Amino acid sequence: DTAVSQTPKYLVTQMGNDKSIKCEQNLGHDTMYWYKQDSKKFLKIMFSYNNKELIINETVPNRFSPKSPDKAHLNLHINSLELGDSAVYFCASGLGTSYEQYFGPGTRLTVT
Amino acid sequence: AQSVTQPDIHITVSEGASLELRCNYSYGATPYLFWYVQSPGQGLQLLLKYFSGDTLVQGIKGFEAEFKRSQSSFNLRKPSVHWSDAAEYFCAVGAGSGGGADGLTFGKGTHLIIQP
Repeated sequence: DTAVSQTPKYLVTQMGNDKSIKCEQNLGHDTMYWYKQDSKKFLKIMFSYNNKELIINETVPNRFSPKSPDKAHLNLHINSLELGDSAVYFCASGLGTSYEQYFGPGTRLTVT
Repeated sequence: AQSVTQPDIHITVSEGASLELRCNYSYGATPYLFWYVQSPGQGLQLLLKYFSGDTLVQGIKGFEAEFKRSQSSFNLRKPSVHWSDAAEYFCAVGAGSGGGADGLTFGKGTHLIIQP
């Protein structure tokens, strides 16, 4: 009965590869987010989706593309991975009106 | 744009002692305010939130926070810490014209170490 789940938990891949991270929420929320946590643990919003519509895209390279097949899922696809993409990626969901958000367990991406 | 400052990168507290973690924000109006905790290798767990009303808010795990508009602060407190409280603590702000869809702005975190 996990509220926000992500797969995989760990992802190790080589530079230049394409990878995807999946996120699902069963909270009935209408807004989902992707955040990036860097090696210094700083968290920054990447994308926000509200009812399957992209709301915000904060200076993220276009190699990153979020896709939301329905309002319970928000996947993150990354093309041509670079060393600097190594980070922990968190999915979150919320009601969208109050900023209150619930986070998934994170996906640790390591690019070698 | 809003910003969040957590002035203490590391804090060491003895088990059983009281705790206060500082958070200051910069925003023209009163934002939505949150504290999250991240245990090693885990996701973020919401400890408490402030939207409006009573400026002293209670959260989970015995934590509380006080909103002080005059100081633009939202400090987190706990009267007696336990070894299991050792974690990274993040203050976050929700603000802006886009509503909740804008996402949260986080501080850089405070790493809490508990001494036996």
